[in-house]
Amino acid sequence: KAGVTQTPRYLIKTRGQQVTLSCSPISGHRSVSWYQQTPGQGLQFLFEYFSETQRNKGNFPGRFSGRQFSNSRSEMNVSTLELGDSALYLCASSSGVLNTYEQYFGPGTRLTVT
Amino acid sequence: DQQVKQNSPSLSVQEGRISILNCDYTNSMFDYFLWYKKYPAEGPTFLISISSIKDKNEDGRFTVFLNKSAKHLSLHIVPSQPGDSAVYFCAASVSGNTPLVFGKGTRLSVIA
Repeated sequence: KAGVTQTPRYLIKTRGQQVTLSCSPISGHRSVSWYQQTPGQGLQFLFEYFSETQRNKGNFPGRFSGRQFSNSRSEMNVSTLELGDSALYLCASSSGVLNTYEQYFGPGTRLTVT
Repeated sequence: DQQVKQNSPSLSVQEGRISILNCDYTNSMFDYFLWYKKYPAEGPTFLISISSIKDKNEDGRFTVFLNKSAKHLSLHIVPSQPGDSAVYFCAASVSGNTPLVFGKGTRLSVIA
């Protein structure tokens, strides 16, 4: 089975711009979660999508949004970028079945905001 | 308030010895715990997990211990190998469809 893929792997944007990141989950997985990792911080949960619906949301401003398509692929959008948005953005997929906790992560997208 | 804490940012261990990584949590509702390993430029990889109905789970060189009364878990790696050098994240979840809550990670360096 192919793993979780994320595109692009690296991105440089300017403050005030917007960015869209993409994630393709493992085949058959219906849940996609997004995390932000910054230096000195753990993985901070952004949101989770299951069957095209946002099922959980973390404590991030409304500039961070996402969506999921019928094929379970997901996109994350950040509008009006700030310097503090520079981070590694990780996508994780899981089956989404109740009480299935293991998530499988992609390699991440390294976003640099200048 | 951080619900999952890994108080040691880094740990150095000699090859062949035991590595012990610790994790504390504050939310008594957590009932499932996981450890992930992360190499640079890669996403975290699932390593081992434990349910709150157990106090120990073993998988090869990796053993996770859970002390519910102390709200503490630990990951033991025996024997440690240079390839184990990575950042280790502890994560916790409440049963049902809730997101994983991660600690900030511990960087393990295994010295040959």
